[in-house]
Amino acid sequence: KNEVEQSPQNLTAQEGEFITINCSYSVGISALHWLQQHPGGGIVSLFMLSSGKKKHGRLIATINIQEKHSSLHITASHPRDSAVYICAVAGTSGSRLTFGEGTQLTVNP
Amino acid sequence: AAGVIQSPRHLIKEKRETATLKCYPIPRHDTVYWYQQGPGQDPQFLISFYEKMQSDKGSIPDRFSAQQFSDYHSELNMSSLELGDSALYFCASSLVYEQYFGPGTRLTVT
Repeated sequence: KNEVEQSPQNLTAQEGEFITINCSYSVGISALHWLQQHPGGGIVSLFMLSSGKKKHGRLIATINIQEKHSSLHITASHPRDSAVYICAVAGTSGSRLTFGEGTQLTVNP
Repeated sequence: AAGVIQSPRHLIKEKRETATLKCYPIPRHDTVYWYQQGPGQDPQFLISFYEKMQSDKGSIPDRFSAQQFSDYHSELNMSSLELGDSALYFCASSLVYEQYFGPGTRLTVT
């Protein structure tokens, strides 16, 4: 069992739909990151969370430390949101990131 | 705003050759991380440096070495390259907790 698990692995949505990607982890963490990776490989950091909720534009990230669970929500999805979304956690003993397997999101017009 | 710079962006080497990847962190960031992402795989942590000292070590092969210099840039040296070393190599820099990723170096070993 991976330390970080994401669901779903693949997600196809129609433009305008509300999207949720889930991340569960099994270790103690100091922070959780949501990352976006486009074709060609570049990684962009979307959020870093240690508690509560953060919002940036149409993106919302929440974390429940007790349940070891985080969600990334995208409101009013758009084809340009199509990318791989990766959940990564920094453990309590250091700041190296352990990555989930990613969720491939495709938003169709 | 300045971002993390990696060079080269693409590199093609033959088996048994050596390669050097460079990472220039965001100004004033004192920590650099190296990650390796094989084809279709999630990134794996290799090694990190804080204030020019190795701070953590992950699944980095003995054929690889890395260091952080006085200007905080870091270099990943890879020797005796193998086909399995073909991957996207990311570095990330941080000042406190949040890591900012570079665009990656795509290494192809033929």
